[in-house]
Amino acid sequence: AQRVTQPEKLLSVFKGAPVELKCNYSYSGSPELFWYVQYSRQRLQLLLRHISRESIKGFTADLNKGETSFHLKKPFAQEEDSAMYYCALTRGATNKLIFGTGTLLAVQP
Amino acid sequence: KAGVTQTPRYLIKTRGQQVTLSCSPISGHRSVSWYQQTPGQGLQFLFEYFSETQRNKGNFPGRFSGRQFSNSRSEMNVSTLELGDSALYLCASSLGAGQGAGYTFGSGTRLTVV
Repeated sequence: AQRVTQPEKLLSVFKGAPVELKCNYSYSGSPELFWYVQYSRQRLQLLLRHISRESIKGFTADLNKGETSFHLKKPFAQEEDSAMYYCALTRGATNKLIFGTGTLLAVQP
Repeated sequence: KAGVTQTPRYLIKTRGQQVTLSCSPISGHRSVSWYQQTPGQGLQFLFEYFSETQRNKGNFPGRFSGRQFSNSRSEMNVSTLELGDSALYLCASSLGAGQGAGYTFGSGTRLTVV
């Protein structure tokens, strides 16, 4: 079965510290992986996807097929990064997203 | 351009009643998907519509149904409401099939069942 696992419900770091939000997935084929972010009182929005290999707001994520992981990283956390982060996957010609349970990132001043 | 619009924003219903939620996608977007968000279960896929046809359905009981109109607007209906149906219902639109990355989410409808 397809599944996305985010082992940490809460990650608290200090401003300027590195951040790594973990995401592991189980899927037999070749999924597309995404990170979505939800800031307080705002809509869920796409942060980045693995196929574009881009860096958004200083965040990057590398798909590791061997470890079936798609961890989100940022070298220096900012207070405005505090939000709920969701890892998600989809497959093929479908718009069905399978989400992880989310990790709340709290960046302390 | 206008974003995804969901109405109403908040809704309070009584157990046993039914409810209809509405979603207007971004102009030109033909795919609409619905998700249920709860503290316990997180974000769960309900169904996806493309050009008025249901393409995918999540693992929800038959009380949950939806439809899409020719103008791509979508509605979802929940009949015989249960307390556990209390959730934030999110709608997302995209240009077409296989474009999960092109999703734009609405602000959601907060349904409370009492």
